[in-house]
This record gives sequence, C-alpha cells and structure tokens, in this order.
Amino acid sequence: EVQLVESGGGLVQPGGSLRLSCEASGFTFTNYAMSWVRQAPGKGLEWVSSISGSGVTTYYADSVKGRFTISRDNSKNTVFLRMNTLRAEDTAVYYCANGNDAFDIWGQGTMVTVSS
Amino acid sequence: QSALTQPASVSGSPGQSITISCTGTSSDVGTYNLVSWYQQHPGKAPKLMIYDVSKRPSGISNRFSGSKSGNTASLTISGLQAEDEADYYCCSYARSNTWVFGGGTKLTVL
Repeated sequence: EVQLVESGGGLVQPGGSLRLSCEASGFTFTNYAMSWVRQAPGKGLEWVSSISGSGVTTYYADSVKGRFTISRDNSKNTVFLRMNTLRAEDTAVYYCANGNDAFDIWGQGTMVTVSS
Repeated sequence: QSALTQPASVSGSPGQSITISCTGTSSDVGTYNLVSWYQQHPGKAPKLMIYDVSKRPSGISNRFSGSKSGNTASLTISGLQAEDEADYYCCSYARSNTWVFGGGTKLTVL
C-alpha cells in the first residue's frame, strides 16, 4: 500500500523555524518527484515546493522562496521541508504528495501554527 | 502565480450531472496538458480524481471525467451521488516549474 506519513508540525513563534518530514512507503521512492502543498484554515490548497526524484532540482512558490528548503534522503524514503523565518500567514496544514505529472498520493497532513 | 478561477459552489440532485470550470491563462492551463482535479472531504486529505486533463487513476469511477478547451478546464460528474459532496480543486502545471491550484468549488448534493 502506498503511504505517506508527515510529522514535525507544531506551534512556533513568528520568525522561528521548523522542519517537516514525510516518510514514504509502498512505491519506488526515487521514481517520483515529491511535493509539499499547504492549506490554511478554511482556505484552499497552495503548492509550496517540489523536488525531483534524484533530489537534484528543486522548485518553490514565490511566497516561500528564500525561506523554505526542500530536500530528500532517498536512502530513508523521506522528504523534508525546512521552514525558516516563519510568518503568521504560513499557518496551515502541510501535506506531502508524490507524483510527476500530478499529486498522486497525499499524506494525512501535519499542522503548523505560527503565533506568539 | 495567480490562482486558477473556479466557481465557489455548485449543486445538483442525485442522478444529475454537474460541471465545474477552472479558468487559467496561456501560462498554465492553456499551454500544458497537466491539469488535475482533487476531491477533498471535510477534515480529510485531497484525493486525485483526474490527471493529464482527462485521465482517471485506477479505482476512480468513470462518472468523473475531465476536459479542456483553451484556457479553461472542466470536471464533469455524472450520476451524482451523496458521497460526491465535497470540495473540488483543479491544478495546473505553470511556467518556471511551478504548480497553481484553483480556489476550490464546494459541491452540494441536494
């Protein structure tokens, strides 16, 4: 069974940092790009970042460029999202998803709350 | 990276068909056949329903279909069922290796 399990969310103060993890199972991890998509409370979906299967190329939404870093450890079937200089508007459920032409499978999400 | 435009809500009775539109630009929907649709029930993760404009993943009912004309993509659900009531999001690949979602459409089954 294909499964993605996120972890690492929590409450952080504005300006703080957090690292999210997403562990994958049930598919050949290196064959797939991995992405992070977030959803603010009561709002729609927003693409955040993607990384190629090899980990060589990364892409970011303008709203997080320079503050967030996506990476992956293919030996551990895990993708990460390092989030720095967090703002209130980064408060959201963060989902990881796999897929090259779409977001095929989604994890259950991890909540990030940025508040003092 | 402006969001794609979807109607805020649509509704239909059981057994009827509904169509949700998704309007983008020549920088996304109009250029790339990488349009996908997601269903999200309250409190749940999104689920892929359509990819590459009109393809269905394994296990998705053929009541769901997708199409595209110019800068507008569409999702049609035929034979509406109560369990189809959910939020639906379109998504398109865009220039500069980015992705853009629509604002979402709430489907109500009357």
